Amino acid sequence: EVQLVQSGAEVKESGESLKISCKTSGYSFTTYWIGWVRQMPGKGLECVGIIYPGDSDTRYSPSFQGQVTISVDKSISTAYLQWSSLKASDTAMYYCARLGRTLYQLPPGNWGQGTLVTVSS
Amino acid sequence: EIVMTQSPATLSVSPGERATLSCRASQSIGSNLAWYQQKVGQAPRLLIYGASTRATDIPARFSGSGSGTEFTLTISSLQSEDFVVYYCQQYKIWPPFTFGPGTKVDFK
Repeated sequence: EVQLVQSGAEVKESGESLKISCKTSGYSFTTYWIGWVRQMPGKGLECVGIIYPGDSDTRYSPSFQGQVTISVDKSISTAYLQWSSLKASDTAMYYCARLGRTLYQLPPGNWGQGTLVTVSS
Repeated sequence: EIVMTQSPATLSVSPGERATLSCRASQSIGSNLAWYQQKVGQAPRLLIYGASTRATDIPARFSGSGSGTEFTLTISSLQSEDFVVYYCQQYKIWPPFTFGPGTKVDFK
């Protein structure tokens, strides 16, 4: 069974750094794209970026380029989303999700449960 | 960036009725269109991909159609658990894989 399990909720202050995780199991981690999606309170879904764990090919949505860093640790089948300096506007639920083996093959089909990030100013 | 629009923003229907949700892309995306259902406090759930293929374990009352720029999600007979929010997403062109703003289906 494919599973994506995300790290727990975080409460941070503006300017702090943060790294949240998405641990996967039940499939070959290195052969499927993984993406991160943001959902601000009461709002819709936005693609943050995607990564191919096999070679760490990483793509960012223009709105998030330079604002976050996506990475993986293949040894533990885990993807990460990190911030070096949080802002109050980063307050949101963040989901990881598995895409297809190739970039345009499949949309996000398996999702993590979400990590709520709250940033106080 | 491809812009996705959904209509209506809110759809008021009664249980047992048919619901028709629309999604439009600002340029052709072929059949690279997905539909998601999101219940309050839960992660999105993939319903339809490839514009018309039901995802695993999705009931047959959900169906998708369309190609190019115009797409439709139809729920043939609404059950109580279907009164939630639905999003479409294109995965034809990166960056990024854009979502529509969502359609909320609520009780008439």
